[in-house]
Amino acid sequence: EVQLVESGGGLVQPGGSLRLSCAASGFSFSIYWMSWVRQAPGKGLEWVATIKPDGSEKYYVDSVKGRFTISRDNAMNSLSLQMNSLRAEDTAIYYCARDGRFVVTPSCWGQGTLVTVSS
Amino acid sequence: DIQMTQSPSSLSASVGDRVTITCRASQDISKNLAWVQKKPGKAPKSLIYAASTLQSGVPSKFSGSGSGTDFTLTISSLQPEDFATYYCQQHNTYPRTFGGGTKVEIK
Repeated sequence: EVQLVESGGGLVQPGGSLRLSCAASGFSFSIYWMSWVRQAPGKGLEWVATIKPDGSEKYYVDSVKGRFTISRDNAMNSLSLQMNSLRAEDTAIYYCARDGRFVVTPSCWGQGTLVTVSS
Repeated sequence: DIQMTQSPSSLSASVGDRVTITCRASQDISKNLAWVQKKPGKAPKSLIYAASTLQSGVPSKFSGSGSGTDFTLTISSLQPEDFATYYCQQHNTYPRTFGGGTKVEIK
């Protein structure tokens, strides 16, 4: 069974940093594209970032470029999102998602972790 | 960036109804369109990719169609567990973009 378990969310002040992690199990992690998608309170879904299976390609939404970094450790079956210079508008539930092997869009999702940016 | 526009933004329907949601892309995305179901407090669930291909385990009451800029999601017979918000997402280019969502409510 595919499992994606996010951790690392919490309350952080504006300008602060947070690192989200996603522990993957039940599939061959190293051959799948992986993504982060977020949902702000009362808002719709927003794609944040995607990483290629070998980590050689990374894509970001403009609003987080230069502040967020997506990475992965295929030996540990783990996906991460380093978030720096956090802003109030980054407040959201962050979902880890497994994309397809060849069609790069989410097929499985974690339960999410809440990030709140507030003073 | 490609803009995705869904209509309607909400709808009321009864159990057993056939429901259709539309999604329009601001430019040609071929068949690179996915549909995602979201319920409050729950993880999103992917339903369809490549416009019409069901994700594994998704019941056949869900169907998708379209290509280019115009797409539809159809639920053939609405059941209580289908009341949710549905989002389209283009997977043609980066940045990936979602539509604003269509909330399907009980009439």
